[in-house]
Order: sequence, then C-alpha cells, then structure tokens
Amino acid sequence: QAVLTQPASLSASPGASASLTCTLRSDINVDTYNIYWFQQKPGSPPQYLLRYKSDSDNRRGSGLSSRFFGSKDAPANAGVLLISGLRSEDEADYYCMMWHSNTWMFGGGTKVTVL
Amino acid sequence: QMQLVQSGAEMKKPGASVRVSCKASGYTFTSYDINWVRQAPGQGLEWIGWMNPNNGDTGSAQKLQGRVTLTRDTSISTAYMELSSLTSEDTAVYYCTGNKALTGDFDFWGQGTLVTVSS
Repeated sequence: QAVLTQPASLSASPGASASLTCTLRSDINVDTYNIYWFQQKPGSPPQYLLRYKSDSDNRRGSGLSSRFFGSKDAPANAGVLLISGLRSEDEADYYCMMWHSNTWMFGGGTKVTVL
Repeated sequence: QMQLVQSGAEMKKPGASVRVSCKASGYTFTSYDINWVRQAPGQGLEWIGWMNPNNGDTGSAQKLQGRVTLTRDTSISTAYMELSSLTSEDTAVYYCTGNKALTGDFDFWGQGTLVTVSS
C-alpha cells in the first residue's frame, strides 16, 4: 500500500471549491506530520504551494493566493488542499508530499480540471 | 531572485552514467539544501536525494542508493547529480530544488533536465 494516496482526477466548475485529499497509509498518523503541497502545470517544474501540520504550524508559499488553503481530515487520516473560487488557471496536477522513513514521499498526484 | 539553472538535455545508452548540474544564483549557495526530484514521462514525482552544500552531507532514496552521487562545487555555486548504470527506467526529467535544511519547503526549482536512456 502506498504511503500517500491521491485521487487521480477531480473536475469542478469555475467558481466552485475543490477539496484535494492526500490519504496516509493507515499505520501512519497524519496528526504528527507536515503535509506539503505542490502545483505543476504542463511543461513546468512543480511549484511549492504550502505546508500544513496544524492551524498553528503551517507555511504558505510566497505570493500564494488566499484561495488556496491547507487542512487535515483526521478521521480520514488525510491532508487536504482546499481551492476556493476555482479558475481556469488552477488547472494543473497537484502533489502532496511528506517525510517518512528518511525519504521524501510524494503522492501520485491529482489532475484538476476546471470545466 | 533565487534561481537554479540546470544543464541541458542528455541522451545516454543503457549502462552509461549521466551527470546533471544545477547552478545557483541570487542567494548564498550554502544557505539552502539542494534536493533532486525526477519525473518519468507522464508519471508523478519521485525524490532522488538531498545535499547540504555547506558541509557536503547527503542522503538518497533507498531505491537509488549505490547508483546516485550528489556533490557540489561551492566555488561556482553548483550542485551535481550523477546517476550510474542507467536503464530505460531512468528516462525522466530531473529537477533540482532548493529548501531550508530539514524542511520540505522546496521553494525554488530548476527548469528541469531531460535524460533519455535508449540504445
């Protein structure tokens, strides 16, 4: 079982909100980890979005739009990236990442389509 | 501004080695770790390893240990990633990225270097 699992795709309408999940393997407790989020558009390197551990321990990338917000869903053992007011420019692949077993681990990525 | 500029695309035969460079500018090279990440065509991101340019400490993904070597030349603010015994599965875009030590705040990235392994 993968350490980090992300849904392969998500579609939403312009102006809607999108909730991207990053589910940790069941033996790893999301509460104790920093979850990082990156956005990648075709032909470009990934771009750092934010890090979230808790409401009091988090960091946003420089110039990140206030429409992007990190959180956790403890019952689901997942990190969450919330995007509000979706725009066509938000169409991209989104990756989560965490440090586990001396390794930076990435989720498989979620392709967000704004219809 | 903080910038990483990588070397150009490479084409290698199976069994060969490749070295990718990553030149830093706009900041003090020894103040940020350099991590390497790769992405096979149409696939997700895979972490390769990290290096502390200040003291040369490194770490790498277990899968690649023994094949990957991370070095730096502080006199020219450049980090290097060398991967040996290449196979077609190493075909990917290789990125370097800079972050504060002990964090995953990969704030700035190189443009990527395509490495193609083909006979």
